[in-house]
Amino acid sequence: ELKVEQNPLFLSMQEGKNYTIYCNYSTTSDRLYWYRQDPGKSLESLFVLLSNGAVKQEGRLMASLDTKARLSTLHITAAVHDLSATYFCAVDGIETSGSRLTFGEGTQLTVNP
Amino acid sequence: DAGVIQSPRHEVTEMGQEVTLRCKPISGHDYLFWYRQTMMRGLELLIYFNNNVPIDDSGMPEDRFSAKMPNASFSTLKIQPSEPRDSAVYFCASSQGTGVEKLFFGSGTQLSVL
Repeated sequence: ELKVEQNPLFLSMQEGKNYTIYCNYSTTSDRLYWYRQDPGKSLESLFVLLSNGAVKQEGRLMASLDTKARLSTLHITAAVHDLSATYFCAVDGIETSGSRLTFGEGTQLTVNP
Repeated sequence: DAGVIQSPRHEVTEMGQEVTLRCKPISGHDYLFWYRQTMMRGLELLIYFNNNVPIDDSGMPEDRFSAKMPNASFSTLKIQPSEPRDSAVYFCASSQGTGVEKLFFGSGTQLSVL
């Protein structure tokens, strides 16, 4: 069974600081996704990482994938309050046919002024 | 495109009643997914369809749950009879292609079973 674990689950940080969220997964996969969810809202796709060494950046967020280590990171640079949300990573269990994402538990990020 | 459309947004029902959740995927997307989100279990995949055919329903909790996709633009998730432990947010999502494409999620249905 594919397991996806995020660390930390809760993160409180000050504006202007940097931090990294980690996503470990238990099986071979070269497709990893990051999503954002605001309270009471739906999930919004942030990044799709499709190969070892892939790096994607948008604004203050940068995601990377190391398939050998089965690890993805979401790095936050100079955090601002608007980044407060829950961030999920998800992995495609390619052993099964088609597209079947398994989500991590989510990291609840709070950026304080 | 209006995105993935789910209805209703909120549903409050009593234990034992039948509940039907509805989803309209993005036009042209050939994959449709039903997820359930709870505090205890996070996001769980219940079932997904490819070209209207159910591919994997191993996440469906029990026989009380059923899902159909009669055509490319409509899917339902039915719970009969409902129980309080079914209370959750149910998301529908769709995608185009074979897994490298990102999922587009609907706004979700908040279900409360009293």
